Amino acid sequence: DAMVIQNPRYQVTQFGKPVTLSCSQTLNHNVMYWYQQKSSQAPKLLFHYYDKDFNNEADTPDNFQSRRPNTSFCFLDIRSPGLGDAAMYLCATRSGGAADTQYFGPGTRLTVL
Amino acid sequence: AQSVTQLDSQVPVFEEAPVELRCNYSSSVSVYLFWYVQYPNQGLQLLLKYLSGSTLVKGINGFEAEFNKSQTSFQLRKPSVLISDTDEYFCAVSDLGSARQLTFGSGTQLTVLP
Repeated sequence: DAMVIQNPRYQVTQFGKPVTLSCSQTLNHNVMYWYQQKSSQAPKLLFHYYDKDFNNEADTPDNFQSRRPNTSFCFLDIRSPGLGDAAMYLCATRSGGAADTQYFGPGTRLTVL
Repeated sequence: AQSVTQLDSQVPVFEEAPVELRCNYSSSVSVYLFWYVQYPNQGLQLLLKYLSGSTLVKGINGFEAEFNKSQTSFQLRKPSVLISDTDEYFCAVSDLGSARQLTFGSGTQLTVLP
């Protein structure tokens, strides 16, 4: 019954080695978000897709990119991870209606060695 | 732009006691308000939300919140907490636009003591 699925739950990568995090949803929602949450901090929005329209937050580093090949899937690519990119990455979805809310996945915890 | 302030980073409370978690926001436009709970190493689960209408909203797990527009506050309350309520709680706001992106407060760790 999982609605927003993130794989893997835990990811370890090496400094500078590209990594891709995956998010899928069974809700058929129009909007998908990626948040970064560092230890003991609030989640911070990186970017979102409204259907195929990509919206990047102004302070999201160029090192972070995203792909949404279809409604169900969205990927977060980190081209050259640094130690400061170690964090929990949260995916969320929203239907796009007037009174809807965001549903979050369980997150992927990224460790950079 | 919006901002959210959660005044208490940690709130210890004894089991079966009442609790209030404070949240204040700042925005130049109308906003929606939310409280989320985060379980350890997990994503966020929606507790409750205020979109419009009655300023007192009820959520899951016995929580409720009151929206006060004049004080720009959205306090979360529970009359009698359980040990299992120990978690991190985040207050968030979103604008009414198509993006509806959430701006979160810094979180409050609620610890319920036996």
